[in-house]
Amino acid sequence: AQSVTQPDIHITVSEGASLELRCNYSYGATPYLFWYVQSPGQGLQLLLKYFSGDTLVQGIKGFEAEFKRSQSSFNLRKPSVHWSDAAEYFCAVGAPDTDKLIFGTGTRLQVFP
Amino acid sequence: EPEVTQTPSHQVTQMGQEVILRCVPISNHLYFYWYRQILGQKVEFLVSFYNNEISEKSEIFDDQFSVERPDGSNFTLKIRSTKLEDSAMYFCASSEDWEISYEQYFGPGTRLTVT
Repeated sequence: AQSVTQPDIHITVSEGASLELRCNYSYGATPYLFWYVQSPGQGLQLLLKYFSGDTLVQGIKGFEAEFKRSQSSFNLRKPSVHWSDAAEYFCAVGAPDTDKLIFGTGTRLQVFP
Repeated sequence: EPEVTQTPSHQVTQMGQEVILRCVPISNHLYFYWYRQILGQKVEFLVSFYNNEISEKSEIFDDQFSVERPDGSNFTLKIRSTKLEDSAMYFCASSEDWEISYEQYFGPGTRLTVT
């Protein structure tokens, strides 16, 4: 069965600092991988996705993520965080034979000025 | 930019009552979903709907739950007899063509409180 682990419940960074949010997945074949962001009172917004090809994917708002099969990871990165990036970030996994997404527990990002 | 909308934003109901949560997916989308997030827990898949029928459902989606696309624009989730443990944020999502785009667009959610 598919599963997703986000080891960090809460991360605090200073504005302008770099960011890496961790995501590990469990799935037998090549999964479809996603990062979503949820701002307070908002729905889930898709930041980026991976399902094949180049393992480094670029997303919106300056985010990128790298798929590493050997580590079963899909970590989200941003070189310089802005105060508006404060939100909850969810990693999710899907598979070719289903259209349901399995979500991780989320990482809450706090940004200090 | 088109978006998924959900009404109401907050619904309070008494245990045992029926509730209907409403969603308007993006107009040209063909795949529809409901997810829920109990406070402090992860977002969980409930059901997917395509071509006017359920394509997949989770163990959570028991006989108390049903979905319907009554008029070609709305997509509803009905809970027949609510329980305290149904209290959660319910998200609707839609996808234009999942097998091509692998993108699901989520609405802002309806917070359901069962008292």
